[in-house]
Amino acid sequence: AQSVTQLDSHVSVSEGTPVLLRCNYSSSYSPSLFWYVQHPNKGLQLLLKYTSAATLVKGINGFEAEFKKSETSFHLTKPSAHMSDAAEYFCVVTLPGTYKYIFGTGTRLKVLA
Amino acid sequence: DAGVIQSPRHEVTEMGQEVTLRCKPISGHNSLFWYRQTMMRGLELLIYFNNNVPIDDSGMPEDRFSAKMPNASFSTLKIQPSEPRDSAVYFCASGQGYSYEQYFGPGTRLTVT
Repeated sequence: AQSVTQLDSHVSVSEGTPVLLRCNYSSSYSPSLFWYVQHPNKGLQLLLKYTSAATLVKGINGFEAEFKKSETSFHLTKPSAHMSDAAEYFCVVTLPGTYKYIFGTGTRLKVLA
Repeated sequence: DAGVIQSPRHEVTEMGQEVTLRCKPISGHNSLFWYRQTMMRGLELLIYFNNNVPIDDSGMPEDRFSAKMPNASFSTLKIQPSEPRDSAVYFCASGQGYSYEQYFGPGTRLTVT
């Protein structure tokens, strides 16, 4: 069975410092993995996706994530946080050929001035 | 590209009333999803349509909920009669087939008093 675990429910960083949001997954097969961002009172916006191509995936707004099969991880990073990055971030896993998204519980990112 | 369009954005109604939420998917997408988001339960898939046909409605809470997709550019989610526990944010998302990324609308915030 597939599952996804976001290891931190809240993360606080100072503006201009690196961001690391952690995600571990469990899947019997090669999964597809996604990161979404949700700003307050907004819908979910796709940041990036991994679908068995390059293991280092670049997304929008300077975010990137690395798929590490040996560690079953798909952590989201950004070199320098901006105030506008404050939001909730969801890691999602799904099997190729299926439609069901398995959502993580979310990580709320706070950016301090 | 206008993205996924949902209406209304906010709905406040009294218990027992009928509520209809509307969704226009991205043109060319053949998959449509309805989700519900609450603090307690996170994001839950309610129903999935493919090529306007309901494929999986196992997430629909009970018979008070119904969804239709009469054509490729329009879907509705109806709650009749509504109850206070239905208060949540309802999202519509669309995509192209299995395992592709989903694009979310801005959501409808429903409050049932």
